[in-house]
Amino acid sequence: KNQVEQSPQSLIILEGKNCTLQCNYTVSPFSNLRWYKQDTGRGPVSLTIMTFSENTKSNGRYTATLDADTKQSSLHITASQLSDSASYICVVSPPYGNNRLAFGKGNQVVVIP
Amino acid sequence: EAQVTQNPRYLITVTGKKLTVTCSQNMNHEYMSWYRQDPGLGLRQIYYSMNVEVTDKGDVPEGYKVSRKEKRNFPLILESPSPNQTSLYFCASSSSRTLISSPLHFGNGTRLTVT
Repeated sequence: KNQVEQSPQSLIILEGKNCTLQCNYTVSPFSNLRWYKQDTGRGPVSLTIMTFSENTKSNGRYTATLDADTKQSSLHITASQLSDSASYICVVSPPYGNNRLAFGKGNQVVVIP
Repeated sequence: EAQVTQNPRYLITVTGKKLTVTCSQNMNHEYMSWYRQDPGLGLRQIYYSMNVEVTDKGDVPEGYKVSRKEKRNFPLILESPSPNQTSLYFCASSSSRTLISSPLHFGNGTRLTVT
């Protein structure tokens, strides 16, 4: 069973609207959780990082939340733009000394005008 | 510009013909790794290296080889490619060997087709 599950698998939203992507993980304990953005034809790029003690972190129109008790994270995109069309990948880091990352399969977001 | 460079970007080959995908980073990172990305499966780690001359298997190492003779280079070798190795490959590096304090920096991928 995959240690990181993301939902929805894909979604289409209108430009200017908000959306929320979900990431549920079973990795425990963990060091941090990152969200990566992968544009079509490019490699993933780190958007945010959250440690187990953080609840919310923003990066421009992207806001990530973390609930370590329920092992859930979300990525909220505000006022979506066409350039937000991408795959968003949730990645969980195990504790120190174990560098094997756990990858989600990604949320595919398509923003239409 | 700090970057991870993979070559080639696209490669079509035939079964059994040895090939090498090169990866180079200019950030003096100790950690480097290779991933393959397939529809519905996400990113899966093939091999990784925590330093020069130190390599280890990831989750899907069968059919692949790597070497780390220099810090900046980490080539991926397919000695005898098969059609099930058709995939999108990414090289990545990080300044953190434990991958805790720093993110992965990815190349732009190599799309390999084996016929």
